[in-house]
Parts: sequence; C-alpha cells; structure tokens
Amino acid sequence: AQSVTQPDIHITVSEGASLELRCNYSYGATPYLFWYVQSPGQGLQLLLKYFSGDTLVQGIKGFEAEFKRSQSSFNLRKPSVHWSDAAEYFCAVGAQEYGNKLVFGAGTILRVKS
Amino acid sequence: ETGVTQSPTHLIKTRGQQVTLRCSSQSGHNTVSWYQQALGQGPQFIFQYYREEENGRGNFPPRFSGLQFPNYSSELNVNALELDDSALYLCASSLDPGPMNTEAFFGQGTRLTVV
Repeated sequence: AQSVTQPDIHITVSEGASLELRCNYSYGATPYLFWYVQSPGQGLQLLLKYFSGDTLVQGIKGFEAEFKRSQSSFNLRKPSVHWSDAAEYFCAVGAQEYGNKLVFGAGTILRVKS
Repeated sequence: ETGVTQSPTHLIKTRGQQVTLRCSSQSGHNTVSWYQQALGQGPQFIFQYYREEENGRGNFPPRFSGLQFPNYSSELNVNALELDDSALYLCASSLDPGPMNTEAFFGQGTRLTVV
C-alpha cells in the first residue's frame, strides 16, 4: 500500500530565508506526487504535481519540488519565504492501481518569523 | 475561491445521531470526492462519486454513505456517530475521476464535532 511520511511536524523559518519541506513515500512503482497547501479555515490548494518526465517541477507561488526515485522523496522548496506562506503543507501520492484516491501525509506546519 | 461550497461550516452532534453534509461542486465538474481530516492528520479518502455512482471507497465503515445528484452536488451521510468521527470533512470536485488526470478543487470543509 502507498504511504507518505512528512518527518517535520513544525518548521519555523525567517522571512526571506529558503525553505525545504521533506516528503518520503512508499510505493513500488513510480507514483503520482502532489503538494497541497492549507491555510487556516481553508480547503486544500494544489501547489504542484509530478507525473513523469523532468524531475524538477515548478508550481505556483514560487514553489518547486524535486522527485528523487533513489531516495523515494519529493521535497518542496522555495528560495525566499514570504510571511503569507505560513500555512500547513501536505504531500500526497496517487497511483492508477489504487483508483481515484490520494494518500496524504500528516502535514508540516510552516511558521514564518519576521 | 474554488467554486466548491460545503455546508454547514460547523456542526455539533451527539454520539449515536446521524448527520448529512453537503457539497456543491464547481461548475462543469462531474466528480466529487470526500475526505476526512482528523486533528493533526492529513486527509483520508472516504469515497468518490462520478456521474451519480460510487466510484471508489476508502477504508471507512458502511455507516459512511453518500449520494450524488444529477447536478453533481453531493451529500455525505454518517449514521450512528462516534466520538472519533469528529473531524474536518473535505469535499473535492474535479472534471473527471482520476486525480492523476485533472486537478481536484477542495471546499473549505465542514467541521464536525461529536459530543
């Protein structure tokens, strides 16, 4: 079965600093990988996704993620964090053989200090 | 704003009661998925409806049931509520069933508290 691990429950970064949020997945073949962001009181918004091809994926709001098959990882990065990036971030995995569901990690809460 | 609306936004129910949550999908979307997000956890897939038929189900008991209507809006029904059913319930609509094909747009969720 698929599973997703986000090792960091909370991360605090200074505004303007770089950010990396970690995501590891467990799945036998190449999965479909997603990053979502959830602001307080809001639903989930898709930041970016990886299906195949170039392993470095660009998303919205200046985010990018890199798929590393050898490490079963799909880490999210941003070169310079803005205060408005404070939110909870979820990594998710999907696969054709598991139908239509996405399996989410437990999330990482990002706090941005000025 | 995603165009996906859920009602009510908050709800308090007593253990053993039944609850119905509603989701209005984005215009043109024929697929609705429901997720349960317990406090401190990521969303868990409950089930999906595609063109009024159940189209995939997660590891939830039969007391979790759903409907999709001809206008593609959807309901989630939970019978015999338990304390552990307290969670944020998220609805996501998409153009077609496969999350790998099209983006799913999430509503703001319904916060259910069971006491």
